[in-house]
Amino acid sequence: GQQVMQIPQYQHVQEGEDFTTYCNSSTTLSNIQWYKQRPGGHPVFLIQLVKSGEVKKQKRLTFQFGEAKKNSSLHITATQTTDVGTYFCAGNTGGFKTIFGAGTRLFVKA
Amino acid sequence: DTGVSQDPRHKITKRGQNVTFRCDPISEHNRLYWYRQTLGQGPEFLTYFQNEAQLEKSRLLSDRFSAERPKGSFSTLEIQRTEQGDSAMYLCASSLLQQDGYTFGSGTRLTVV
Repeated sequence: GQQVMQIPQYQHVQEGEDFTTYCNSSTTLSNIQWYKQRPGGHPVFLIQLVKSGEVKKQKRLTFQFGEAKKNSSLHITATQTTDVGTYFCAGNTGGFKTIFGAGTRLFVKA
Repeated sequence: DTGVSQDPRHKITKRGQNVTFRCDPISEHNRLYWYRQTLGQGPEFLTYFQNEAQLEKSRLLSDRFSAERPKGSFSTLEIQRTEQGDSAMYLCASSLLQQDGYTFGSGTRLTVV
C-alpha cells in the first residue's frame, strides 16, 4: 500500500540555524500537504503543493515538490523558538485518503 | 463558526466497554475525515464522508469501529468492545473541496484501562 516516509525523525537546532525535513512516497502523488503540530496540539494545515517541481514560500518556510511528484521538502530559514513542533507531510494519490508521514519533531534551543 | 469541534476531549473507559465520540465540522464543509494518532506517529486514516455518504474506510479498521454522519453535518465514531490497543487520540477533520487542506479538531483522547 501507499507509504509516506519522513526523515529525520528528530532535529535539534540552535535558534537561528536552518532546518530541513524530507518526505518520500512509495507512489506518485497527486498532491502533497504539510502540517505543523505544536506539542499538545492538533495538526494545522500549512500548504499544499500540486505541480511537479513546484516551490512555494511562506515567510521563512520554503516548500518543494519533486519533479517526479514522489518527494517533497520543507526548509525553515533561521529557526525561531516559535517553530518548535512536529512537521508532517501528507500525500494523496487522487483518492479520498490522505496518508500522513510519521513527522519530524523540531527542537529549537534559544 | 469556531472551527471543528470534538466531544469529549478526554475519555477513560474500561476494556470491553463501548465508546462514542462526536465531531462537528465547519458548517459549510461537506467533507469529513476521522484519523487516529498515537504517540510519536502521524495521523492514521480511518474513514471519510462526503455529506452523509461514507465513501472510504480503512482496511485496517476492525468491524468494532463504525462511523456515521446521518444528516451530512455532525459525525459520530463508535468503538465497540474497546481494547487497550484502541488507546489513542481520535482526530476529526473537515474540508470544503478535495484539494483543500484539512481543518482538524482538537481531538478526543481515549484511554482504555
